[in-house]
Amino acid sequence: GDSVTQMEGPVTLSEEAFLTINCTYTATGYPSLFWYVQYPGEGLQLLLKATKADDKGSNKGFEATYRKETTSFHLEKGSVQVSDSAVYFCALTAYSSASKIIFGSGTRLSIRP
Amino acid sequence: EADIYQTPRYLVIGTGKKITLECSQTMGHDKMYWYQQDPGMELHLIHYSYGVNSTEKGDLSSESTVSRIRTEHFPLTLESARPSHTSQYLCASSESQGLSYGYTFGSGTRLTVV
Repeated sequence: GDSVTQMEGPVTLSEEAFLTINCTYTATGYPSLFWYVQYPGEGLQLLLKATKADDKGSNKGFEATYRKETTSFHLEKGSVQVSDSAVYFCALTAYSSASKIIFGSGTRLSIRP
Repeated sequence: EADIYQTPRYLVIGTGKKITLECSQTMGHDKMYWYQQDPGMELHLIHYSYGVNSTEKGDLSSESTVSRIRTEHFPLTLESARPSHTSQYLCASSESQGLSYGYTFGSGTRLTVV
């Protein structure tokens, strides 16, 4: 079945460091791919998305590129801030999963001042 | 600005009590979902609905029940709360058509059963 695998955390970085959170997926056909962010005590918010191969989603300085050849959707940010501390979820939707969203297990990110 | 509302945000309740977690959305979405989030962060789908009078169980077995009498409202009920029900419960909704819209989530209800 369809699945999402993302790098395990926690990830701890210093402020202004470069961030990469790896995400790979397995799906039949052409899924849509998402990154969600969950700040402490809150629900999930859509951070960015990409709906076809080679699309780049971007928001708040975060970027991710839909790579069909490597089935990946890695999240990157050039210079992280303390306010980026949160849990990040990679996810996909696909017709093979009856359009229900499939989440990865989440990666907790902590940024040190 | 939230378009999907969950109440209460926090609830501490005794074992054996009946509780209902409320979820309402103002976007006219047909699809709605309930997730249980464990302390390890992983999300587990426990119920979903594709429209009025439609409800299905999710991937994780749950003792809770849901109803969908109105498009905008998708409450979750526990008839007899137990400490094992202590968790964060997240409600979400999505567009009916296509794969590209993603989900909109509420802020969650953190339930503690003592």
